[in-house]
Amino acid sequence: KAGVTQTPRYLIKTRGQQVTLSCSPISGHRSVSWYQQTPGQGLQFLFEYFSETQRNKGNFPGRFSGRQFSNSRSEMNVSTLELGDSALYLCASSLLRGRGDTQYFGPGTRLTVL
Amino acid sequence: ILNVEQSPQSLHVQEGDSTNFTCSFPSSNFYALHWYRWETAKSPEALFVMTLNGDEKKKGRISATLNTKEGYSYLYIKGSQPEDSATYLCALFLPGGSNYKLTFGKGTLLTVNP
Repeated sequence: KAGVTQTPRYLIKTRGQQVTLSCSPISGHRSVSWYQQTPGQGLQFLFEYFSETQRNKGNFPGRFSGRQFSNSRSEMNVSTLELGDSALYLCASSLLRGRGDTQYFGPGTRLTVL
Repeated sequence: ILNVEQSPQSLHVQEGDSTNFTCSFPSSNFYALHWYRWETAKSPEALFVMTLNGDEKKKGRISATLNTKEGYSYLYIKGSQPEDSATYLCALFLPGGSNYKLTFGKGTLLTVNP
């Protein structure tokens, strides 16, 4: 079974631009969560989608948004990029939303904002 | 704000040594605990999902215990090998609805010297 895939793997943008990152979950998984990791910080929760609906959002500004398609693939968008948005963005998928459901992570997209 | 604390922050051991590290969380706010291993340049890999007080899980040379009453989990590695070098993350899972997410600690970086 193919794992979680994320594209692109690396991205360089300049301040003020916008960016779209893509995540394809494991086949059959319906929940997709997004996390940001910056140096010195743990993984910070961005948002979670289930059945094409955003079910939960972390403490990030409105410049961060996302969506999920009917095939469970998800995209996240960051508008008006700032230097502090440089980070590793990880997505994770799980079968359902139960407490015992393991989240499976993709390899991440490394975003650099210049 | 939910705090998940991991200690130590980093650890250096010799090949063959056994080691353990701790994940602490508010005992009043427990639903499930996840352990992950994250090797450099790879995706975080799920190790264990623990849901019941007194849970003990084992995978090869790695095992984990859970004490929800006092709010901690221990991860043990027996006979460490260089390939065990990685960051070990624990994450507290909050239940469904608007709270569905993993709150991660900052991890313990383990380096095993040959």
